Formats: sequence, C-alpha cells, structure tokens
Amino acid sequence: AQSVTQLGSHVSVSEGALVLLRCNYSSSVPPYLFWYVQYPNQGLQLLLKYTTGATLVKGINGFEAEFKKSETSFHLTKPSAHMSDAAEYFCAVSDQATGANNLFFGTGTRLTVIP
Amino acid sequence: DSGVTQTPKHLITATGQRVTLRCSPRSGDLSVYWYQQSLDQGLQFLIQYYNGEERAKGNILERFSAQQFPDLHSELNLSSLELGDSALYFCASSPGVAGANVLTFGAGSRLTVL
Repeated sequence: AQSVTQLGSHVSVSEGALVLLRCNYSSSVPPYLFWYVQYPNQGLQLLLKYTTGATLVKGINGFEAEFKKSETSFHLTKPSAHMSDAAEYFCAVSDQATGANNLFFGTGTRLTVIP
Repeated sequence: DSGVTQTPKHLITATGQRVTLRCSPRSGDLSVYWYQQSLDQGLQFLIQYYNGEERAKGNILERFSAQQFPDLHSELNLSSLELGDSALYFCASSPGVAGANVLTFGAGSRLTVL
C-alpha cells in the first residue's frame, strides 16, 4: 500500500526565511509524488510533481522538491518565504499498485508566514 | 478557475436527509474523482470514475453513491445524512488514468448537516 507522512502539522517561518515542509512516502512501486497547496476557502492547486527523471523538481511560485529514494522523502522547499505563501500544503502519492491513479494525501502542513 | 465546476458551493441540511453534489470535469478530462475533507479525517479518497465506469473505490460509505454520466459530469449522492458527514467534498478530474496524470480540483462543496 502507498502512503505519505507529513511531519509537522504547523510550520511558522519569518518572511524571507527558508521554507522546508517534510514529506516521507511509503510505496511498493516507484512512486509518483505530488505537492498541492490549498488557500483558504479554495480547492487544491498543484505545486509540482515527480514522476521519473530528474530528482529535483521545480514548481510554481518558487517552490521545489527533491525526490530522495534512499530516504523515501520528497521535501518541499522555498528559499525565501513570502506572505502570500501562507496556506496549507499537502503531499500526495499516486496509487499505482491497483492500476488506478487516485491520490493518497498526507495530513497536511499549515504554513504561517510571520512579517 | 481550475475548469472543474462543483455545485452547490454550500449546502445546509438536516440529519436523515439526502443530497446530491454535482461535478463537471475540465474539458477533455475523462476521469473524475471524489474526495472528502474533514478536520478529523483529512483528505479521504472516496471513488473514481473513468469514462462512465467505476475505476477505484476508497473509503466510501454504503450510504454514499456516485455515478458518471455520458456527458462525463458526475454526481455524488449522500443519503441518511449524519452529523459526521459534515465536510468539504472535492471533485477532481484528469485526462486519463495514468499515474503521472495531474488531478485538477474544483473549489469544493461544503456540506453542513444539522
């Protein structure tokens, strides 16, 4: 079975500081991994995805994530936080074991940016 | 606007009632997914349809059912509603069923059961 674990339900950073949101996955097959962001009262928006190839993936709004197979991790980073980054972030893995491709989501990390 | 349309945006109803949530997928997408988001359960996958056929089933209660119509829109039916069914219900769509397909989410339907 595939799953993801997000460490830290709440993360606070100062404006301009590094953002690091942690995600570890469990998968019996090579995983497809995603990060989504949810702003208040909105749906989920894709930030970036990893399928195959380059392990450092760049996404929208200056975010990037690195797939590390040895650590089963897919942490999300941004060098300098902006006030507009305040939102909830979800890591997800695609369910490939059953032949379907629905996503299993982590419990989310709420990012607060302090001015 | 993601291109995935969900109606209604908000719904308030009483225990024991039945409601229907509707989803129109992004143009060209054949696959539709339903998710439930609640504070205690997080984002839970309910069910997936691909081109009218059920493709995968997750933690969907027997009181809930869904279908995808020939025009590819989908409906999620929730019956014998309980207080615990209060949640945000998201619909998502994707072009197909390949694992690398990106799911595009709608804005959600917020259900409140009183």
